[in-house]
Amino acid sequence: DVQLVESGGGLVQPGGSRRLSCAASGFTFDDHAMSWVRQAPGKGLEWVSAISGSGAITYYAESVKGRFTMSRDNSKNTLYLQIDSLRADDTALYYCAKLSGKAAVQAYPLIWGQGTMVIVSS
Amino acid sequence: QSVLTQPPSASGTPGQRVTISCSGSSSNIGRNYVHWYQQFPGTAPKLLIYMNNQRPSGVSDRFSGSKSGTSASLAISGLRSEDEADYYCATWDDSLSGPGVFGGGTKVTVL
Repeated sequence: DVQLVESGGGLVQPGGSRRLSCAASGFTFDDHAMSWVRQAPGKGLEWVSAISGSGAITYYAESVKGRFTMSRDNSKNTLYLQIDSLRADDTALYYCAKLSGKAAVQAYPLIWGQGTMVIVSS
Repeated sequence: QSVLTQPPSASGTPGQRVTISCSGSSSNIGRNYVHWYQQFPGTAPKLLIYMNNQRPSGVSDRFSGSKSGTSASLAISGLRSEDEADYYCATWDDSLSGPGVFGGGTKVTVL
């Protein structure tokens, strides 16, 4: 069975940083692009970033560009999201998702993890 | 504010057919596939419809998707109490340099 397990969330001060991780199992990791999608409390889904299967190509939403960095270690079947210069409006549940293809473009989330919560507050 | 517009809410009685719209533009829905997700409170979203009108294995045939021009729709026929959830459309937008985009979501209530 496909499993995606996120970790790394927690309480962070404004301006701080955090590294989120997503451990994947049950599928050939580098055959699939991956994404991070977040959901602020009581709000809708926001597609934050995507990365190709090789890790060579990344996409970021305008709201996080320059502050968030997505990467992957295919030898460890693990996805990362480095989040810097955190703001209050970054408070959200961060999901990692397996995408439908090896290329991120035009791919769509197939399977989601359960998410890890990031709270930005002083 | 999403580039994809969904009504915030929809409702129906058991057995009725409910339709949720997702309105976009020529740069997103007009030239890309639309996908739909179902989310229950406190749980992760689940893929419901992919590539406009395809159902993943295990999804009830009471759910159907369609697309016309720059709009897409999700229909739920034979509405049941267990269909009460949030529904999101998603696609890519060729005018943006980022990843895909989601609609704002529609809360379906079974009366």
